[in-house]
Amino acid sequence: DQQVKQNSPSLSVQEGRISILNCDYTNSMFDYFLWYKKYPAEGPTFLISISSIKDKNEDGRFTVFLNKSAKHLSLHIVPSQPGDSAVYFCAASAANSGYALNFGKGTSLLVTP
Amino acid sequence: EAGVAQSPRYKIIEKRQSVAFWCNPISGHATLYWYQQILGQGPKLLIQFQNNGVVDDSQLPKDRFSAERLKGVDSTLKIQPAKLEDSAVYLCASSLDVYGQAPMNTEAFFGQGTRLTVV
Repeated sequence: DQQVKQNSPSLSVQEGRISILNCDYTNSMFDYFLWYKKYPAEGPTFLISISSIKDKNEDGRFTVFLNKSAKHLSLHIVPSQPGDSAVYFCAASAANSGYALNFGKGTSLLVTP
Repeated sequence: EAGVAQSPRYKIIEKRQSVAFWCNPISGHATLYWYQQILGQGPKLLIQFQNNGVVDDSQLPKDRFSAERLKGVDSTLKIQPAKLEDSAVYLCASSLDVYGQAPMNTEAFFGQGTRLTVV
């Protein structure tokens, strides 16, 4: 039962353009959403998060948008850089389950020069 | 600040053998997680500890998997006997005490993982 879904396995974007990664969830109890970045042979690295009481959170080139009514969130990277090439995982958690992370399958982002 | 340490990095065993993984979380982190990541999938929670107590082990295959966190710091995850489908990366993560905290303090920090291959 996949509660967090990333329907795009891969995305290719030119350097300097915007990268938009999408994520959908089904569990209405989720109240905290996170994006992790993963390079090969490394563990996931926390990137940015958003609480369910907000609809936008920004950190430098990274912005996460949350649409609770649609149970949808997205990660925007502007401008994209070659070093952003990695697998991006969307994750969601809930206070009533100890904030354990439920992950999507990931989206592989390739930023080309 | 030192990150989450895991060992070994790689392990190859035959099916029906046993294997153990070790994790040392970030100092001061009360919550520790073990995740299993099968190729092409996102990490899946196996077990969550709060200090040395188990919070959630509902997805741990208890007939073959066991985990402990003695003294509320280091943790070990064991598989006995291993099956072919256990081939995966096993990730350990830690976070601050999640209870009583605002969500913004509950981010999990991951180790590099142990890649297990069962042949």
